[in-house]
Amino acid sequence: DAEITQSPRHKITETGRQVTLACHQTWNHNNMFWYRQDLGHGLRLIHYSYGVHDTNKGEVSDGYSVSRSNTEDLPLTLESAASSQTSVYFCASSPGLGVAGANVLTFGAGSRLTVL
Amino acid sequence: AQKVTQAQTEISVVEKEDVTLDCVYETRDTTYYLFWYKQPPSGELVFLIRRNSFDEQNEISGRYSWNFQKSTSSFNFTITASQVVDSAVYFCALSEEGQGGSEKLVFGKGTKLTVNP
Repeated sequence: DAEITQSPRHKITETGRQVTLACHQTWNHNNMFWYRQDLGHGLRLIHYSYGVHDTNKGEVSDGYSVSRSNTEDLPLTLESAASSQTSVYFCASSPGLGVAGANVLTFGAGSRLTVL
Repeated sequence: AQKVTQAQTEISVVEKEDVTLDCVYETRDTTYYLFWYKQPPSGELVFLIRRNSFDEQNEISGRYSWNFQKSTSSFNFTITASQVVDSAVYFCALSEEGQGGSEKLVFGKGTKLTVNP
């Protein structure tokens, strides 16, 4: 069965360290997204991609970067982790334009990141 | 700019009560999509429904129903005869069509529903 997997599921790191969260989907979806979930803020969009080599900034992109070198993966990098980036991170994908249900997101299980 | 407001932060009901979760949205587009997602205590996000802006028909799926009213920019979600398993955080979301197509979703802050036995 197709799926979207995130790793690691839990990570504790220190301020200033570089951290990469992996997202891998086998749906063959064109679109991929990273959201963060914080109490009182709901889900906020960090970065997104509509295809290979395409990346776009979302609402809360400062301090984060992504790259899309293939269809399956959209890793999220925190260049220098800050305590404000302690959060639960969700990766999601959707089929893309021209496909039924083009914008229905399928989410990964989430990655809980703690920055000390 | 698009915006989704879920004014109810938390709701607590007793099993078998009906409960309505409110969602109000703002958009400048005439073509857009509205969604509801469920996040149970286990943490995963589960898709419930998508409606486009041209389809104002209400929808019913078992104990769940959705009321879409463009006149009030609302897309409310009602659970009839609530059950403990309905306890979750529910998110409303909006996606605008936009120039070139926009498939990113903007989410509300969520409503935490607790159904007590």
